[in-house]
Amino acid sequence: AQSVTQLGSHVSVSEGALVLLRCNYSSSVPPYLFWYVQYPNQGLQLLLKYTSAATLVKGINGFEAEFKKSETSFHLTKPSAHMSDAAEYFCAVSDPDDYKLSFGAGTTVTVRA
Amino acid sequence: EAQVTQNPRYLITVTGKKLTVTCSQNMNHEYMSWYRQDPGLGLRQIYYSMNVEVTDKGDVPEGYKVSRKEKRNFPLILESPSPNQTSLYFCASHTTRVNEQFFGPGTRLTVL
Repeated sequence: AQSVTQLGSHVSVSEGALVLLRCNYSSSVPPYLFWYVQYPNQGLQLLLKYTSAATLVKGINGFEAEFKKSETSFHLTKPSAHMSDAAEYFCAVSDPDDYKLSFGAGTTVTVRA
Repeated sequence: EAQVTQNPRYLITVTGKKLTVTCSQNMNHEYMSWYRQDPGLGLRQIYYSMNVEVTDKGDVPEGYKVSRKEKRNFPLILESPSPNQTSLYFCASHTTRVNEQFFGPGTRLTVL
Protein backbone atom coordinates (compact mmCIF):
# COMPACT_ATOMS: atom_id res chain seq x y z
CA ALA A 1 0.00 0.00 0.00
CA GLN A 2 1.15 3.49 -0.75
CA SER A 3 1.08 6.53 1.45
CA VAL A 4 2.08 10.16 1.07
CA THR A 5 3.38 12.69 3.58
CA GLN A 6 3.42 16.39 2.80
CA LEU A 7 5.59 18.36 5.18
CA GLY A 8 3.97 21.61 6.20
CA SER A 9 0.25 22.24 5.91
CA HIS A 10 0.83 25.95 5.20
CA VAL A 11 3.61 27.69 3.32
CA SER A 12 3.91 31.45 2.97
CA VAL A 13 6.27 32.98 0.41
CA SER A 14 6.98 36.45 -0.94
CA GLU A 15 6.19 37.20 -4.55
CA GLY A 16 9.27 36.39 -6.61
CA ALA A 17 10.70 33.97 -4.04
CA LEU A 18 11.29 30.24 -4.41
CA VAL A 19 8.36 27.95 -3.77
CA LEU A 20 9.31 24.56 -2.29
CA LEU A 21 6.68 22.01 -1.31
CA ARG A 22 7.86 18.75 0.19
CA CYS A 23 6.41 15.32 -0.52
CA ASN A 24 7.64 11.95 0.69
CA TYR A 25 6.02 8.69 -0.24
CA SER A 26 6.11 5.06 0.73
CA SER A 27 5.52 2.35 -1.82
CA SER A 28 6.49 -1.27 -2.17
CA VAL A 29 7.02 -0.89 -5.91
CA PRO A 30 8.30 1.93 -8.15
CA PRO A 31 5.40 4.33 -8.03
CA TYR A 32 3.74 6.86 -10.26
CA LEU A 33 3.73 10.31 -8.61
CA PHE A 34 1.60 13.36 -9.18
CA TRP A 35 1.18 16.94 -8.05
CA TYR A 36 -2.26 18.51 -8.25
CA VAL A 37 -3.32 22.10 -7.57
CA GLN A 38 -6.69 23.23 -6.24
CA TYR A 39 -7.70 26.86 -6.59
CA PRO A 40 -10.47 28.16 -4.32
CA ASN A 41 -13.87 26.66 -5.07
CA GLN A 42 -12.52 24.57 -7.92
CA GLY A 43 -11.65 20.96 -8.61
CA LEU A 44 -8.14 19.57 -8.81
CA GLN A 45 -5.92 20.21 -11.79
CA LEU A 46 -2.85 18.16 -12.68
CA LEU A 47 0.40 20.13 -12.41
CA LEU A 48 2.80 17.35 -13.36
CA LYS A 49 3.37 13.61 -13.15
CA TYR A 50 6.25 11.15 -12.89
CA THR A 51 5.75 7.78 -14.58
CA SER A 52 9.28 6.29 -14.60
CA ALA A 53 10.75 8.38 -17.39
CA ALA A 54 12.97 11.40 -16.64
CA THR A 55 13.43 12.02 -12.93
CA LEU A 56 13.10 15.79 -13.35
CA VAL A 57 9.58 16.56 -14.44
CA LYS A 58 8.39 19.88 -15.74
CA GLY A 59 4.78 20.88 -15.40
CA ILE A 60 2.47 23.76 -16.09
CA ASN A 61 2.83 27.31 -14.75
CA GLY A 62 6.60 26.99 -14.28
CA PHE A 63 6.50 24.20 -11.70
CA GLU A 64 8.84 21.23 -11.67
CA ALA A 65 9.50 18.26 -9.43
CA GLU A 66 12.34 15.81 -9.02
CA PHE A 67 11.90 12.14 -8.25
CA LYS A 68 14.58 10.92 -5.83
CA LYS A 69 14.27 7.21 -5.23
CA SER A 70 16.95 7.10 -2.52
CA GLU A 71 15.08 9.73 -0.51
CA THR A 72 11.57 8.54 -1.50
CA SER A 73 10.78 12.15 -2.29
CA PHE A 74 9.02 14.12 -4.99
CA HIS A 75 9.37 17.76 -3.98
CA LEU A 76 7.68 20.50 -6.01
CA THR A 77 9.48 23.75 -6.81
CA LYS A 78 8.95 26.98 -8.66
CA PRO A 79 11.82 29.49 -8.89
CA SER A 80 9.70 32.63 -8.62
CA ALA A 81 6.30 32.75 -6.95
CA HIS A 82 3.45 34.69 -8.46
CA MET A 83 0.31 35.88 -6.72
CA SER A 84 -1.69 33.49 -8.88
CA ASP A 85 0.15 30.54 -7.28
CA ALA A 86 -1.88 30.93 -4.10
CA ALA A 87 -3.76 27.63 -3.85
CA GLU A 88 -3.73 24.25 -2.17
CA TYR A 89 -1.32 21.65 -3.53
CA PHE A 90 -1.65 17.91 -3.24
CA CYS A 91 0.94 15.22 -3.80
CA ALA A 92 -0.41 11.80 -4.84
CA VAL A 93 1.04 8.36 -5.43
CA SER A 94 -0.19 5.39 -7.41
CA ASP A 95 1.00 1.82 -7.66
CA PRO A 96 1.35 1.02 -11.39
CA ASP A 97 -0.72 -2.14 -10.84
CA ASP A 98 -3.45 -0.47 -8.81
CA TYR A 99 -6.33 1.83 -9.59
CA LYS A 100 -6.03 3.79 -6.39
CA LEU A 101 -4.58 7.27 -6.15
CA SER A 102 -3.46 8.05 -2.58
CA PHE A 103 -3.26 11.73 -1.67
CA GLY A 104 -1.29 13.66 0.88
CA ALA A 105 -3.05 16.01 3.29
CA GLY A 106 -2.28 19.04 1.16
CA THR A 107 -0.22 22.21 1.53
CA THR A 108 -1.82 25.64 1.31
CA VAL A 109 0.39 28.27 -0.31
CA THR A 110 -0.08 31.96 0.33
CA VAL A 111 1.91 34.55 -1.61
CA ARG A 112 2.77 37.89 0.02
CA ALA A 113 3.06 40.98 -2.12
CA GLU B 1 -15.15 20.91 -24.05
CA ALA B 2 -13.78 17.87 -22.23
CA GLN B 3 -15.13 17.91 -18.71
CA VAL B 4 -16.49 16.12 -15.67
CA THR B 5 -19.73 17.57 -14.34
CA GLN B 6 -21.30 17.08 -10.95
CA ASN B 7 -24.73 17.99 -9.62
CA PRO B 8 -25.67 19.51 -7.35
CA ARG B 9 -22.72 21.74 -6.47
CA TYR B 10 -24.11 22.48 -3.03
CA LEU B 11 -26.53 20.45 -0.95
CA ILE B 12 -27.86 20.80 2.57
CA THR B 13 -29.92 17.90 3.83
CA VAL B 14 -31.02 16.19 7.03
CA THR B 15 -29.95 12.93 8.59
CA GLY B 16 -31.53 9.88 6.98
CA LYS B 17 -32.86 11.52 3.82
CA LYS B 18 -31.60 9.58 0.81
CA LEU B 19 -29.70 11.59 -1.77
CA THR B 20 -27.84 11.10 -5.04
CA VAL B 21 -24.98 13.14 -6.42
CA THR B 22 -24.63 12.75 -10.16
CA CYS B 23 -21.37 12.63 -12.11
CA SER B 24 -20.97 12.63 -15.85
CA GLN B 25 -17.93 12.73 -18.14
CA ASN B 26 -17.79 13.36 -21.88
CA MET B 27 -14.31 11.97 -22.56
CA ASN B 28 -15.27 8.30 -23.02
CA HIS B 29 -13.06 7.35 -20.05
CA GLU B 30 -13.22 3.81 -18.74
CA TYR B 31 -12.24 4.64 -15.17
CA MET B 32 -14.21 6.79 -12.75
CA SER B 33 -13.80 7.46 -9.02
CA TRP B 34 -15.43 9.26 -6.14
CA TYR B 35 -13.39 11.02 -3.47
CA ARG B 36 -14.20 12.97 -0.35
CA GLN B 37 -12.03 15.85 0.81
CA ASP B 38 -11.77 16.75 4.48
CA PRO B 39 -9.45 19.35 6.08
CA GLY B 40 -6.13 17.84 7.07
CA LEU B 41 -6.92 14.52 5.42
CA GLY B 42 -6.52 15.32 1.74
CA LEU B 43 -8.67 13.31 -0.65
CA ARG B 44 -9.76 9.78 0.15
CA GLN B 45 -11.20 7.42 -2.41
CA ILE B 46 -14.73 6.19 -1.73
CA TYR B 47 -15.43 3.96 -4.75
CA TYR B 48 -14.05 3.45 -8.19
CA SER B 49 -15.22 1.86 -11.42
CA MET B 50 -13.15 0.24 -14.13
CA ASN B 51 -15.98 0.10 -16.66
CA VAL B 52 -19.73 -0.37 -17.00
CA GLU B 53 -21.09 -2.64 -14.26
CA VAL B 54 -17.62 -3.00 -12.67
CA THR B 55 -17.09 -1.18 -9.36
CA ASP B 56 -14.98 -1.69 -6.25
CA LYS B 57 -14.51 -0.15 -2.83
CA GLY B 58 -11.90 2.47 -2.10
CA ASP B 59 -10.58 3.51 1.30
CA VAL B 60 -13.80 4.86 2.86
CA PRO B 61 -16.82 3.12 1.28
CA GLU B 62 -19.01 2.80 4.39
CA GLY B 63 -22.34 4.59 4.00
CA TYR B 64 -22.05 5.03 0.25
CA LYS B 65 -23.25 3.20 -2.85
CA VAL B 66 -22.44 3.63 -6.51
CA SER B 67 -23.63 2.29 -9.82
CA ARG B 68 -22.21 2.34 -13.36
CA LYS B 69 -24.94 1.51 -15.82
CA GLU B 70 -23.58 3.77 -18.54
CA LYS B 71 -19.98 4.57 -19.35
CA ARG B 72 -20.39 8.32 -18.94
CA ASN B 73 -22.30 8.34 -15.61
CA PHE B 74 -21.22 7.34 -12.11
CA PRO B 75 -23.71 8.49 -9.45
CA LEU B 76 -22.90 8.47 -5.73
CA ILE B 77 -25.77 7.41 -3.49
CA LEU B 78 -26.13 8.07 0.23
CA GLU B 79 -29.00 5.87 1.39
CA SER B 80 -29.14 7.30 4.92
CA PRO B 81 -26.82 10.28 5.26
CA SER B 82 -25.28 11.10 8.62
CA PRO B 83 -23.50 14.26 9.84
CA ASN B 84 -20.07 12.58 9.51
CA GLN B 85 -20.66 12.50 5.75
CA THR B 86 -20.58 16.28 5.64
CA SER B 87 -17.71 16.88 3.23
CA LEU B 88 -16.59 18.07 -0.19
CA TYR B 89 -17.02 15.36 -2.81
CA PHE B 90 -15.18 15.02 -6.09
CA CYS B 91 -15.80 12.79 -9.05
CA ALA B 92 -12.89 11.99 -11.37
CA SER B 93 -12.32 10.04 -14.57
CA HIS B 94 -9.33 8.78 -16.56
CA THR B 95 -8.51 6.58 -19.52
CA THR B 96 -5.96 4.17 -18.05
CA ARG B 97 -5.04 2.99 -14.61
CA VAL B 98 -2.48 5.66 -13.88
CA ASN B 99 -3.16 8.34 -16.39
CA GLU B 100 -4.09 11.85 -15.49
CA GLN B 101 -7.33 11.99 -13.54
CA PHE B 102 -9.78 14.70 -14.57
CA PHE B 103 -11.75 16.10 -11.64
CA GLY B 104 -15.21 17.57 -11.49
CA PRO B 105 -15.84 20.91 -9.73
CA GLY B 106 -16.93 19.30 -6.46
CA THR B 107 -20.15 18.96 -4.46
CA ARG B 108 -20.26 20.47 -1.00
CA LEU B 109 -22.60 18.38 1.14
CA THR B 110 -23.85 19.33 4.59
CA VAL B 111 -25.85 16.80 6.59
CA LEU B 112 -27.68 18.29 9.58
